[in-house]
Amino acid sequence: NAGVTQTPKFQVLKTGQSMTLQCAQDMNHNSMYWYRQDPGMGLRLIYYSASEGTTDKGEVPNGYNVSRLNKREFSLRLESAAPSQTSVYFCASSREAGPYSNQPQHFGDGTRLSIL
Amino acid sequence: KQEVTQIPAALSVPEGENLVLNCSFTDSAIYNLQWFRQDPGKGLTSLLLIQSSQREQTSGRLNASLDKSSGRSTLYIAASQPGDSATYLCAVRTGANNLFFGTGTRLTVIP
Repeated sequence: NAGVTQTPKFQVLKTGQSMTLQCAQDMNHNSMYWYRQDPGMGLRLIYYSASEGTTDKGEVPNGYNVSRLNKREFSLRLESAAPSQTSVYFCASSREAGPYSNQPQHFGDGTRLSIL
Repeated sequence: KQEVTQIPAALSVPEGENLVLNCSFTDSAIYNLQWFRQDPGKGLTSLLLIQSSQREQTSGRLNASLDKSSGRSTLYIAASQPGDSATYLCAVRTGANNLFFGTGTRLTVIP
């Protein structure tokens, strides 16, 4: 009963390095999301994908890119990591998107990323 | 911009006590509100989702209410147990896909 799986769980990078965070869901959900969680702040949406083949910016997209590889997988890429991107990153999925959806989002366990 | 506030930031109660967690939001034009639970080092688990047309939702010992006009929601936990210890987050949906989260209330239930 995997749900939403994120890899890696922990990562340390140096400023300027690049990396890709992976996310996969096995619930046949259409919509997927990337959030970051910082101390003293609520989770903030980085990017989302309402359905396979589409991606849209969220509240804090600068410095990130995403790829919806297929229905199951949604990756987040940091091209040139900065210390301000130190955070815990969560991937989530839901059956459907849209304002009238009553489908809750299901979250992975997060990737803890430190950038030195 | 929507702002979501949860007070208190932390709460400790003895086992068996009933308790209420509060969530307030600044823009009443929401589609729905969700309550989540987050355990240390883990992701979020959805507890209850209330559509903007609803007043409350119940699941087991949990009851969530929504007063959209006043920008408030409460999560009521009956007969608290040590296993309820976690951080509780509320989030409001204001657009097609954007959830605005509060910073959470960290609950400790003391045996």
